[in-house]
Amino acid sequence: GNSVTQMEGPVTLSEEAFLTINCTYTATGYPSLFWYVQYPGEGLQLLLKATKADDKGSNKGFEATYRKETTSFHLEKGSVQVSDSAVYFCALEVLNRDDKIIFGKGTRLHILP
Amino acid sequence: SAVISQKPSRDICQRGTSLTIQCQVDSQVTMMFWYRQQPGQSLTLIATANQGSEATYESGFVIDKFPISRPNLTFSTLTVSNMSPEDSSIYLCSVFKATEAFFGQGTRLTVV
Repeated sequence: GNSVTQMEGPVTLSEEAFLTINCTYTATGYPSLFWYVQYPGEGLQLLLKATKADDKGSNKGFEATYRKETTSFHLEKGSVQVSDSAVYFCALEVLNRDDKIIFGKGTRLHILP
Repeated sequence: SAVISQKPSRDICQRGTSLTIQCQVDSQVTMMFWYRQQPGQSLTLIATANQGSEATYESGFVIDKFPISRPNLTFSTLTVSNMSPEDSSIYLCSVFKATEAFFGQGTRLTVV
């Protein structure tokens, strides 16, 4: 079946530190991969996505590369800010008759000033 | 893009009662999705709602507990029936637009 596994939180970093949040997946077929972010008090919103192997999604300084050989889609940012504090969800979508998105459990990120 | 209005944003309910959550989208969509996010857990898909047909429920969720309506292409409701404290969660509706998912703000339900 399809599933997503991401590193457990909370993750606490100092401002300007390097961030990696690991995400691996299992899927039948060729999924699209996503990172969603939920800021405090807000709904989920798409952060970035990649639709095929070796694609790199990027947005707001965040990046993630679709690695088919390692079935991974790790989220990275070179220098985090306090405003990046949020919960991050890795997700996959397999386009078939039952098109739907499967989410990881989420990783809470705290950035200290 | 899609803008989703979901209400109520929160509610506190007595056990044994039912709550209906409404989801309105600003454009027509084929499928609407209902999720539950329990404290500390990931989003879990409850069901997929297609206009003009019965909803498709995921394993562990049944129509008697979570009846869904989809009267047109822009609106859906999810009812949480005969509630117990274990139903305390955030409930989210979602739609797809060009492979991107959009979410309502969520309904925070507390059952006492």
